[in-house]
Amino acid sequence: EAQVTQNPRYLITVTGKKLTVTCSQNMNHEYMSWYRQDPGLGLRQIYYSMNVEVTDKGDVPEGYKVSRKEKRNFPLILESPSPNQTSLYFCASSLSVQTGGLGELFFGEGSRLTVL
Amino acid sequence: AQSVTQLDSQVPVFEEAPVELRCNYSSSVSVYLFWYVQYPNQGLQLLLKYLSGSTLVKGINGFEAEFNKSQTSFHLRKPSVHISDTAEYFCAVRRRSGGGADGLTFGKGTHLIIQP
Repeated sequence: EAQVTQNPRYLITVTGKKLTVTCSQNMNHEYMSWYRQDPGLGLRQIYYSMNVEVTDKGDVPEGYKVSRKEKRNFPLILESPSPNQTSLYFCASSLSVQTGGLGELFFGEGSRLTVL
Repeated sequence: AQSVTQLDSQVPVFEEAPVELRCNYSSSVSVYLFWYVQYPNQGLQLLLKYLSGSTLVKGINGFEAEFNKSQTSFHLRKPSVHISDTAEYFCAVRRRSGGGADGLTFGKGTHLIIQP
């Protein structure tokens, strides 16, 4: 089954304790992205990756890091989490528009993070 | 850069009544257009998309949307809603051509509330 898998789905942590949210897709998509969803703000892009070893900042990258060492994985790293990073996070993937993909993003189920 | 405006943050509708959720976008380049739905405590699911061709697009669960290039709008409609349609609806755009950021730009969402 084609899917985007995120882990963990739920996490409560404390300020400053490094954490990683993993994301994996099995559709051989070039493009992967992280979004955060906050009430009244919709979804905002954190980072994206056009392909292996190619990453770039989205609209709200502060406090986050990413890496893309393999095509299927795109982990989101919070080196020193703070309470303002409490949010619902979504990973998404697609074929690249640049290489002829039609634009539809496939989303994971979301990871709800609480930073105390 | 692209931007998406969903004109209503919340839309209450009686069951079996018609509904229209409004979406306007701004972009300096040609874009693909999408509507996603998020049911309570779930991820995002594609409702429908406009890529090219007929400006009236039909999606899942009886929803349809009409692309109006002159008004840069992509309003979502359903002739008769059900309790199960209660959800958050997101309009999104994605640039067609390569170069620059390659992700979806979302509106802030419209919460559709179905009243019995």
